[in-house]
Amino acid sequence: ILNVEQSPQSLHVQEGDSTNFTCSFPSSNFYALHWYRWETAKSPEALFVMTLNGDEKKKGRISATLNTKEGYSYLYIKGSQPEDSATYLCAFYNQGGKLIFGQGTELSVKP
Amino acid sequence: DGGITQSPKYLFRKEGQNVTLSCEQNLNHDAMYWYRQDPGQGLRLIYYSQIVNDFQKGDIAEGYSVSREKKESFPLTVTSAQKNPTAFYLCASSPRPIGNEQFFGPGTRLTVL
Repeated sequence: ILNVEQSPQSLHVQEGDSTNFTCSFPSSNFYALHWYRWETAKSPEALFVMTLNGDEKKKGRISATLNTKEGYSYLYIKGSQPEDSATYLCAFYNQGGKLIFGQGTELSVKP
Repeated sequence: DGGITQSPKYLFRKEGQNVTLSCEQNLNHDAMYWYRQDPGQGLRLIYYSQIVNDFQKGDIAEGYSVSREKKESFPLTVTSAQKNPTAFYLCASSPRPIGNEQFFGPGTRLTVL
């Protein structure tokens, strides 16, 4: 089993703080890296699908970067809001077609 | 509306009984997946199917079985051989090619008494 590691496991911030999470994944057999947001009582929803080394993607206040050579991706949230509270999952897609998830980072944003 | 449905939302079974979890999608996606989530762990892949009538074992397939007779449907059977079946089960689908984002159902929480 290939390991996808996320850190930190949980994070508590105040509204307005900026924050970032890390996802580490195997640097071999890379096909794609996914980020998902999973809010309580909802289904996980895709934030980003990243495929190229050096990719940077942005959606509103959330952005992500990708380094496939060293096997890591960062997710940034600028000016966190209470509605950003969720578990953020990264997942490594290998060339065999399997998506392997990290354990997630649980973000709590206090007003 | 297009989407993925899983039923039921909550399921209770006695130990030793087989149980089948339903997953249906009307997104016309080729690939479908079953994951299991346990407290403090990420989603772990049970089985996946890239095309009708074909499926592959994921990382924790022991004690589970699937079928993919129709593009829209990918039911998961939790057999009595699964040693610790109580968990939250998520079904997902994705369009071709591989690597595309996955779309998730609402999940089924299975409790074996």
